[in-house]
Amino acid sequence: GEDVEQSLFLSVREGDSSVINCTYTDSSSTYLYWYKQEPGAGLQLLTYIFSNMDMKQDQRLTVLLNKKDKHLSLRIADTQTGDSAIYFCAEREDYGGSQGNLIFGKGTKLSVKP
Amino acid sequence: GAVVSQHPSRVICKSGTSVKIECRSLDFQATTMFWYRQFPKQSLMLMATSNEGSKATYEQGVEKDKFLINHASLTLSTLTVTSAHPEDSSFYICSALQGAGSGYGYTFGSGTRLTVV
Repeated sequence: GEDVEQSLFLSVREGDSSVINCTYTDSSSTYLYWYKQEPGAGLQLLTYIFSNMDMKQDQRLTVLLNKKDKHLSLRIADTQTGDSAIYFCAEREDYGGSQGNLIFGKGTKLSVKP
Repeated sequence: GAVVSQHPSRVICKSGTSVKIECRSLDFQATTMFWYRQFPKQSLMLMATSNEGSKATYEQGVEKDKFLINHASLTLSTLTVTSAHPEDSSFYICSALQGAGSGYGYTFGSGTRLTVV
């Protein structure tokens, strides 16, 4: 079945850039997502990218997609302490054109040191 | 933007009792609702998918008689954990799909921390 892998931890200093990487297995995924989860809270959509795009930038966030290698990354520029959270990569599971479930990675815990 | 209100945020119940968790889409109609369970330091595990007006589809290994899902309207879905046991203690999150075809249309509730004592 589909699988999404990402590293579990990342530690950076405030002001540096953070890069969180993710690999996925379903080459037919049309959309890929990055979600942020703060302690005890639900998931907040940060950004998403359509599979025919290589890059998407939204303020401090840059998403890179290498569809050939099934590799997705999220870069956070000028990382702040408020960015400390768990970041989930997810791919959409589509069935014959209908929109299905999201398959999540285990999440990367980002720690930002002052 | 789209908001899903999930209640309660925390609940402690005695073993053997039932607990109902509600998810409401506040400003949109949720044609599909996904229910997830999240174990500590782990990813979200899909439990079931429900479409308004029809029976929920449960993932393999999820007991449908234990985790009752009702999606009676386009704005409300409920998950009832029946005869709860300590091993049911977990973080439960719903996600509402805002119509078909919109890639960004998944909106998550804020989660419910269930503790069964």
